[in-house]
Amino acid sequence: QSALTQPRSVSGSPGQAVTISCTGGTSDVGGYNYVSWYQQHPDKAPKLMIYDVSKRPSGVPVRFSGSKSGNTASLTISGLQAEDEADYYCCSYAGSYTWVFGGGTKLTVL
Amino acid sequence: EAQLVESGGGLVQPGGSLRLSCAASGFTFSAYWMHWVRQAPGKGLVWVSRIISDGSSASYADSVKGRFTISRDNAKNTLYLQINSLRADDTAVYYCVRDSTYQPDIWGQGTMVIVSS
Repeated sequence: QSALTQPRSVSGSPGQAVTISCTGGTSDVGGYNYVSWYQQHPDKAPKLMIYDVSKRPSGVPVRFSGSKSGNTASLTISGLQAEDEADYYCCSYAGSYTWVFGGGTKLTVL
Repeated sequence: EAQLVESGGGLVQPGGSLRLSCAASGFTFSAYWMHWVRQAPGKGLVWVSRIISDGSSASYADSVKGRFTISRDNAKNTLYLQINSLRADDTAVYYCVRDSTYQPDIWGQGTMVIVSS
């Protein structure tokens, strides 16, 4: 199973919006609405930020949003804050009860 | 509050074995499928293995098939990963993860496995 494709890094200034893409294929991202996103700070466990493509768990700020078009999912963070600086990973159900993750994107808040 | 706590990691020589454990609390463990996901130092997340709620079926990534065995004890609310024939490229933090409708939701803090002579 090949990893989903994410940009290695993105950056933005406080208050701006950034979007992170996650590209797969018809057997994962394009085939299911089971795409999720995770935030990981250094030496910490990943934290669920978005599930089912665009749903936010309780407690996740509304400035985090998700979407999908074809084989590409996207995470948008509006109104960037310093604490948003972290690594972000997408994940998709890949059939046969397995998961595939993206390679990760490092978000820098300038 | 749902929580997962891994243990059992450590330094092991190539070819050695370890048994990782994951203690679950705050939710009905026996109702959920569970997974192991690993992350090599400075690298991304990689799915390793999955077991269904009653423990009767499991699946593995090709890279660990035949060497790793996932199991669970629902009476003890504990998930396990037996890892044998360890190689240097198995060095990673191993996370225990709960499956919520085909997606990871709750993650443990991870346990580090280092394979080195």
